[in-house]
Amino acid sequence: DAGVIQSPRHEVTEMGQEVTLRCKPISGHNSLFWYRQTMMRGLELLIYFNNNVPIDDSGMPEDRFSAKMPNASFSTLKIQPSEPRDSAVYFCASSFVGGGRAGELFFGEGSRLTVL
Amino acid sequence: AQTVTQSQPEMSVQEAETVTLSCTYDTSESDYYLFWYKQPPSRQMILVIRQEAYKQQNATENRFSVNFQKAAKSFSLKISDSQLGDAAMYFCAYSSSGTYKYIFGTGTRLKVLA
Repeated sequence: DAGVIQSPRHEVTEMGQEVTLRCKPISGHNSLFWYRQTMMRGLELLIYFNNNVPIDDSGMPEDRFSAKMPNASFSTLKIQPSEPRDSAVYFCASSFVGGGRAGELFFGEGSRLTVL
Repeated sequence: AQTVTQSQPEMSVQEAETVTLSCTYDTSESDYYLFWYKQPPSRQMILVIRQEAYKQQNATENRFSVNFQKAAKSFSLKISDSQLGDAAMYFCAYSSSGTYKYIFGTGTRLKVLA
């Protein structure tokens, strides 16, 4: 399997622009997670989906952030409008969970976002 | 809410020596999973070791082992015979077997001195 695939790897944009990050989870995994990593706050869980349904979005910083998972093989994280403080590395991860078992979390290579 | 705490922002170890990274967590659940992930400069997150809370035996993976103290809610990682390639950020993580929500600590940067 190709692993979790994220795009773009790097994105530089100007304040106020819309940013869309994309993720393709590992085939067969039923849970997908979006994390944000910064020096100050470490690795923060933004939102996670189980069977394409958002389960917990309490980590989404504000209404400017939205995430969707239209099917089992694709998810997006959108920031509109973007602000300089959104600059970070955004990770997507997937896993197979269920029956009381939490499997290994597999991460993509991350999308480094810079908002000028 | 569950929390994971790594109180050592940075650690150093001499090559071939042993180092222990600390992690504590807070939960009211009895069934959960604990993980250590490694993030080298390439920023790719790699699973190092995993522990199921219902297992009393500490997990081991080659030079990596854990000291899991369930009552104390402590989950430390021991790296034996440290190698230059072990230099990385190490994250402790918790996942509930009910919500499957993976929570990470703030990480410990490990430096390996030649």
